[in-house]
Amino acid sequence: AQKVTQAQTEISVVEKEDVTLDCVYETRDTTYYLFWYKQPPSGELVFLIRRNSFDEQNEISGRYSWNFQKSTSSFNFTITASQVVDSAVYFCALRAGYSTLTFGKGTMLLVSP
Amino acid sequence: EAGVTQSPTHLIKTRGQQATLRCSPISGHTSVYWYQQALGLGLQFLLWYDEGEERNRGNFPPRFSGRQFPNYSSELNVNALELEDSALYLCASSLRGQVGNTEAFFGQGTRLTVV
Repeated sequence: AQKVTQAQTEISVVEKEDVTLDCVYETRDTTYYLFWYKQPPSGELVFLIRRNSFDEQNEISGRYSWNFQKSTSSFNFTITASQVVDSAVYFCALRAGYSTLTFGKGTMLLVSP
Repeated sequence: EAGVTQSPTHLIKTRGQQATLRCSPISGHTSVYWYQQALGLGLQFLLWYDEGEERNRGNFPPRFSGRQFPNYSSELNVNALELEDSALYLCASSLRGQVGNTEAFFGQGTRLTVV
């Protein structure tokens, strides 16, 4: 069985602060995929990144960066210089084997001006 | 290119009625997934269809059912509606999802309210 834990229910920051969203996963499969999605108030989940279990290289995309560490089963997401438009619920998800996406419960990020 | 489209956007039903939700995947995608997002419960997996077949089912009662049509669009049916079925129902599509190395793209959801 797969499990994704996002321990932070809600995070509040002031614009321009850096913020890290934590994600810890559990799976017995050796091949798996990790994802991050953003859900703005409109409701649609927006795909941000996919990472496979064999690639532990960190990735940076503009103000977004992801830190994948198999040793701690973590796939954390950092937003640098946060902006009000980053306010949303962020979901971490896992997919392993012949299964569907398993989501964490999400972290609500509130960025105030 | 059109994304995943869901209809209707909002749906209000009375307890005991049936609800039908529809989803059109991204062109070329054969897998369709349904998720329920109830308040405070996160995203719960409902159903997965691929190539017209049901591939997997989440922990939901049989009154939640669906199907996938030859054009890969999908329908989710909820019978004998209960108040706790009120939620945002999200549909996603992906390329054939057997391996898992494909991302799923989501629609804007259908907000179902049961009164």
